[in-house]
Parts: sequence; structure tokens; C-alpha cells
Amino acid sequence: KAGVTQTPRYLIKTRGQQVTLSCSPISGHRSVSWYQQTPGQGLQFLFEYFSETQRNKGNFPGRFSGRQFSNSRSEMNVSTLELGDSALYLCASSLATKGADNEQFFGPGTRLTVL
Amino acid sequence: AQSVTQPDIHITVSEGASLELRCNYSYGATPYLFWYVQSPGQGLQLLLKYFSGDTLVQGIKGFEAEFKRSQSSFNLRKPSVHWSDAAEYFCAVAGAAGNKLTFGGGTRVLVKP
Repeated sequence: KAGVTQTPRYLIKTRGQQVTLSCSPISGHRSVSWYQQTPGQGLQFLFEYFSETQRNKGNFPGRFSGRQFSNSRSEMNVSTLELGDSALYLCASSLATKGADNEQFFGPGTRLTVL
Repeated sequence: AQSVTQPDIHITVSEGASLELRCNYSYGATPYLFWYVQSPGQGLQLLLKYFSGDTLVQGIKGFEAEFKRSQSSFNLRKPSVHWSDAAEYFCAVAGAAGNKLTFGGGTRVLVKP
């Protein structure tokens, strides 16, 4: 079974631009979560999508948004990029169940650099 | 609000020696606890998880962790470290929803030959 895939793996943008990152979950997984990893703030939860609906949201500004398609693939978008948005963005997929035994499988991440 | 503290930012250990990584959590109810490992340039791989039951949990790669409710801790251990264990380790907690992980700051492990 293929793992979680993220595209692109590396991205360079300039301030003010917008960017879209893509995540394809493991086949059969219906939940997709996004995390931001930076040296200063560590790993922080962005949001989770399940059945095309945002189910959980972290504490990020509205410039960060996401969506999920009917095939469970997900995209996240960051508008009006700032230097502080430079980070590794990780996507994780899991089965739909909440709580117990709901393991999240992480992709390799997209490294975004904002100049 | 839930939180996780990993007191040690860096740990250096000799190959073959034992390893213990500390994790303290704060959560109002019964937590779901996880340990992940991240190698350079890679995503996160789950080592083990605790939901309920036996407080000593066995994971992959020879790792184990012990849940101690009285100390709000979930420390990770390995009896004998291999050079390939050099990586960054993250402890995480999730609530009842299970899908929102709160991570600790991570502990970077260096293995000396």
C-alpha cells in the first residue's frame, strides 16, 4: 500500500505570493490533517479534514486554508506569504475513527521557503 | 488546553548504551499518547502509542514507553541504542477526537560510536 504523498517536496516563493500544497492520503483513509513544523515553534496543528469538511482547526490566521476532495485528497493554501511561513508542512492521514487506535501516518512533507 | 513538555533538547548516548527520553503532558482527561521519530529530511514515523490498559507499551525498533498517570509522564526507553537511532523524537498527546496532535518540542538524539 502506498504511503502518504505530498507534492511538491520543495517550493520557493516570495513574500506576498500565494501557494498551494497537495496531499494524497493512504488509500481508504478519510481523514487528512496538516501540520506546520518550524525551528522556533516546533510542530503545530493547522487543520483536519474529514469527508470534505473541516473537523478541527488550529490557531492559525485566515491566510491558511484547506480543502478536501471527494477522493480524500487534500490541498492547503497560504495566501499573502510572509517570511515566517517558511516551514516544513506535513500532511497526515488516518482512518475516520475518532479517539482510540486512530493512528496518523505522515507524509515526507513539503519544504516551503519564502524569500 | 493540552500541552507536552520534553525537557531535554539534546541527548548524546554511546552506541550500545541505554536511552531514556522524558515526556510530561498536561491534559484534563485520559490522554492518548504517542512517540514519533523523525530522521533528517523525513516525515514522522510512529514508534508507539498508549490509549488504555497496560501502562508499559512496546513499540517498533525495540522501543518501549511507560505511562505514569501520577507523574503525568510517558517516558520512552530503549535498552541498547544503535547508530541508526540518531534522529529527533517527538512526544505527542491527543484528546478524545484523536486527530489533533499536540507535540512536544522534540529531543534530538546523537549516537557516539
